Amino acid sequence: GQQLNQSPQSMFIQEGEDVSMNCTSSSIFNTWLWYKQDPGEGPVLLIALYKAGELTSNGRLTAQFGITRKDSFLNISASIPSDVGIYFCAGQLPAGANSKLTFGKGITLSVRP
Amino acid sequence: AAGVIQSPRHLIKEKRETATLKCYPIPRHDTVYWYQQGPGQDPQFLISFYEKMQSDKGSIPDRFSAQQFSDYHSELNMSSLELGDSALYFCASSQTSGSFHEQFFGPGTRLTVL
Repeated sequence: GQQLNQSPQSMFIQEGEDVSMNCTSSSIFNTWLWYKQDPGEGPVLLIALYKAGELTSNGRLTAQFGITRKDSFLNISASIPSDVGIYFCAGQLPAGANSKLTFGKGITLSVRP
Repeated sequence: AAGVIQSPRHLIKEKRETATLKCYPIPRHDTVYWYQQGPGQDPQFLISFYEKMQSDKGSIPDRFSAQQFSDYHSELNMSSLELGDSALYFCASSQTSGSFHEQFFGPGTRLTVL
């Protein structure tokens, strides 16, 4: 089946630093989404990307949809302690607007004050 | 803004018992999805409904069933519970019409099977 690859599994940064996370796939996805999840809570949507090459910002977050539709990255600038959490990329196949999401394994981000 | 509502938030059951999880989507959203997330894992798609009809099916055990009702809320019924069913269960909803159809997740139900 389709798989999204996220690595490394964990990242440790200093407060105020910028961080970039990548997500790659061997399959083409129609839509890429980035979610943040706190322990025991539901994933919260950060950014959704719909067009190849699209670059979208949401506050300190910036994400891009790769030209090949097989990758995406998420940048967090000027990190703060509340950025701690698990960041998942998710892809939606071209099957339709209500098709399921396939998730990467997630990256756990730690921010040192 | 209104979010996806799930109940109960926590549920403890014994092996071989049954459980029912409920999901109330965001108003005007027509599609509901169910995902299962084991400890330290990513969410895995179980099943989805569009306009009260099953639209897709993932790795959902035969012991589980789900439906979407006329008011668009959905229920996930789980029977003959096993220890391995212990997980977080998330419901997500989306609006299929229009240009944007992001899936928004609820807070989840933590199911513990003893």
